[in-house]
Amino acid sequence: DVKVTQSSRYLVKRTGEKVFLECVQDMDHENMFWYRQDPGLGLRLIYFSYDVKMKEKGDIPEGYSVSREKKERFSLILESASTNQTSMYLCASSVGTDYNEQFFGPGTRLTVL
Amino acid sequence: GQNIDQPTEMTATEGAIVQINCTYQTSGFNGLFWYQQHAGEAPTFLSYNVLDGLEEKGRFSSFLSRSKGYSYLLLKELQMKDSASYLCAALDSNYQLIWGAGTKLIIKP
Repeated sequence: DVKVTQSSRYLVKRTGEKVFLECVQDMDHENMFWYRQDPGLGLRLIYFSYDVKMKEKGDIPEGYSVSREKKERFSLILESASTNQTSMYLCASSVGTDYNEQFFGPGTRLTVL
Repeated sequence: GQNIDQPTEMTATEGAIVQINCTYQTSGFNGLFWYQQHAGEAPTFLSYNVLDGLEEKGRFSSFLSRSKGYSYLLLKELQMKDSASYLCAALDSNYQLIWGAGTKLIIKP
């Protein structure tokens, strides 16, 4: 079974802190994604990556950056956390072809105080 | 703009059948996904349709009409464990997934 893991299930940070969210997948998937999920809104894509060291902006990249130094690991960085970044963050991965299903990690619920 | 519409919440009875509708407007279309998400958990894949028609997978079926920009997920013989949110997502011409807000399905005994 494909396994996508995220470094934390729950995280509480203070405004202005630098926050790292880590995601690891164990199925050699080319594609990796970071989403945020907020009540009443659909999943919103922050960044995605089709290959190591490659990154593409999604719909809401402002305030975020990413890093993909190894194929299995995709990190999301909040350079200076703000309260409006309080959300559920979901990482996903998929095989290279775009119409393949995405496999999601369990999510990190981030609260910024 | 691109948009996915699905009902916010639905209620159904254990053992019954429920149909969750989804309409989409996207720049190009390369298929439609349904995912299930239990509260506090990750979304899990249910189905993918790219051609018109009905695809059946056990108690779950998914239907697509490309000309109408419409899909539905049909759940039969409802069980309490089917209580979850059901997410509709369309793949646009750039192979980006456009997600609906999800339909929360409540199953009552």
